[in-house]
Amino acid sequence: DARVTQTPRHKVTEMGQEVTMRCQPILGHNTVFWYRQTMMQGLELLAYFRNRAPLDDSGMPKDRFSAEMPDATLATLKIQPSEPRDSAVYFCASGSHRVFLSPLHFGNGTRLTVT
Amino acid sequence: DQQVKQNSPSLSVQEGRISILNCDYTNSMFDYFLWYKKYPAEGPTFLISISSIKDKNEDGRFTVFLNKSAKHLSLHIVPSQPGDSAVYFCAARLIIQGAQKLVFGQGTRLTINP
Repeated sequence: DARVTQTPRHKVTEMGQEVTMRCQPILGHNTVFWYRQTMMQGLELLAYFRNRAPLDDSGMPKDRFSAEMPDATLATLKIQPSEPRDSAVYFCASGSHRVFLSPLHFGNGTRLTVT
Repeated sequence: DQQVKQNSPSLSVQEGRISILNCDYTNSMFDYFLWYKKYPAEGPTFLISISSIKDKNEDGRFTVFLNKSAKHLSLHIVPSQPGDSAVYFCAARLIIQGAQKLVFGQGTRLTINP
């Protein structure tokens, strides 16, 4: 059963430190999304890629967040410097635009705590 | 600007009864609506969807209704079972530059009481 894999599952760090979250999309999926789950906003879209090219990262705080896809098997989300308000669960999801309605498949998330 | 809203943060229902989860949206360009279910410490998983040209889609115990004029959709679960206890997210789809973008609501925590 194909899965989206996210690492690490949990990350605790101090304010000001760099945080890198990784995602391995399902093989063959060509769209990748980063979402953040917060109590107030639910699932917020931070950025998404199609065929490794960024399509929209307007949901990210540009000064501290960056998202990349160095290759088709790896997507990264970096926060530098991290702040306590970044504490949340970050989800990666992948999908295929070749299928008309291809439900997004989510990873199990990275729970980030910034102290 | 919350384009997809779930106004009930939580809902408690007796086992065997009907659960109704609601969702409102503002953007007329959404072409599909989806419901995702999320258990603790897991990612959301796809449950059921409906095209904007339909008003009802049924899959077993799950039925989604769409009222386009009111920009409202609802998920009905009947009969409700303890395993249905989870957070349910409503999502709406936009196609932008050939990629589907899902906009999610805040989620509703459903608790099914035995």
